[in-house]
Amino acid sequence: NAGVMQNPRHLVRRRGQEARLRCSPMKGHSHVYWYRQLPEEGLKFMVYLQKENIIDESGMPKERFSAEFPKEGPSILRIQQVVRGDSAAYFCASSPPLVGAKNIQYFGAGTRLSVL
Amino acid sequence: QKEVEQNSGPLSVPEGAIASLNCTYSDRGSQSFFWYRQYSGKSPELIMFIYSNGDKEDGRFTAQLNKASQYVSLLIRDSQPSDSATYLCAGFNAGNNRKLIWGLGTSLAVNP
Repeated sequence: NAGVMQNPRHLVRRRGQEARLRCSPMKGHSHVYWYRQLPEEGLKFMVYLQKENIIDESGMPKERFSAEFPKEGPSILRIQQVVRGDSAAYFCASSPPLVGAKNIQYFGAGTRLSVL
Repeated sequence: QKEVEQNSGPLSVPEGAIASLNCTYSDRGSQSFFWYRQYSGKSPELIMFIYSNGDKEDGRFTAQLNKASQYVSLLIRDSQPSDSATYLCAGFNAGNNRKLIWGLGTSLAVNP
């Protein structure tokens, strides 16, 4: 009965490198959400995906960031050419198919990205 | 712009007291609300959700929803030092692409 699994838990990159963050949703969940949280700040929505589809990417920066949720395998948040300002905690959440107004999102432990 | 607003705090209460956390929202189409707790350095965890006007109780926690006044609150009875955390309020409107609209959170400190 595993929860939302994110890896790695900690990721260190130098400026200009690529960061790949992975998220496996809870069993039976087909909706994945990515959030970013800067130190001492609130959660910022980035993107919402279903299998093979991006539903809402209104919170994604226009450049360097991309996300996917393939038919097989985990969801991936990819950050190209990282900069120091990308240092943050990145959380993934998943939810089951919508039942009424109960869109309960369950969070993974997060990936802490540090850019040197 | 759909918003959920919370007082950032910190809200400080003595151990054993009732902590009252409040949240207001602007989207009248919001159908349900969620309270998450986030300890420092950890991920948010769901405490309660509510979608009907009135009160919903679960152990020491009571969520209250007033759709006419557009506010939702969380009461924590018999507060414990372990309740010290940031509490996030989120609203859901099924017509909003299933996105939760998040408040910035209220920091609660329960003093022994």
